[in-house]
Amino acid sequence: EAQVTQNPRYLITVTGKKLTVTCSQNMNHEYMSWYRQDPGLGLRQIYYSMNVEVTDKGDVPEGYKVSRKEKRNFPLILESPSPNQTSLYFCASSLLGTDGYTFGSGTRLTVV
Amino acid sequence: QKEVEQDPGPLSVPEGAIVSLNCTYSNSAFQYFMWYRQYSRKGPELLMYTYSSGNKEDGRFTAQVDKSSKYISLFIRDSQPSDSATYLCAMSADQGAQKLVFGQGTRLTINP
Repeated sequence: EAQVTQNPRYLITVTGKKLTVTCSQNMNHEYMSWYRQDPGLGLRQIYYSMNVEVTDKGDVPEGYKVSRKEKRNFPLILESPSPNQTSLYFCASSLLGTDGYTFGSGTRLTVV
Repeated sequence: QKEVEQDPGPLSVPEGAIVSLNCTYSNSAFQYFMWYRQYSRKGPELLMYTYSSGNKEDGRFTAQVDKSSKYISLFIRDSQPSDSATYLCAMSADQGAQKLVFGQGTRLTINP
């Protein structure tokens, strides 16, 4: 089944403890993105990648890192999480970009 | 002012009604327009995408883009309770649609 898989689905962590949210797609897509979704603010793009080793900042990149060493994987790294990074995170991928993105099921992160 | 404005609703209509969902935007460079549907506790799924101005129809769904007015619409005919979800518009200026800007989303309920 063609899909974007994120792990974990739920995560509660403490301030300052480094964490990684994994994202993997099995569709051989070129484009991948990370978003966060917050009430009243909608979906905001964190980082995106157009191909292996090619990444760029979205609208809210502060406090996040990404890497794209393989085409299928696009992990999101929070080096020192803070409570304002408590949010619902989505990874997405697309073959052409303009043909629309396939989203994962989301990771609900709580930082206390 | 946000780049993309979307009335968050909630919007509640009876089954069988025609639903009209709208977004306005300020960036005249946007040329790729998408509508996503998001069910509770799920990731967004692509409904429709259009390039530049005009109409596009897919079953009970019709997407309209009016670039001169910076206004896009999604119409749902013969609405069903299964259409109850949050609808998000998204748009991009670049050819690969790497940078997607989303509206806040409109929560729609179809009452049987």
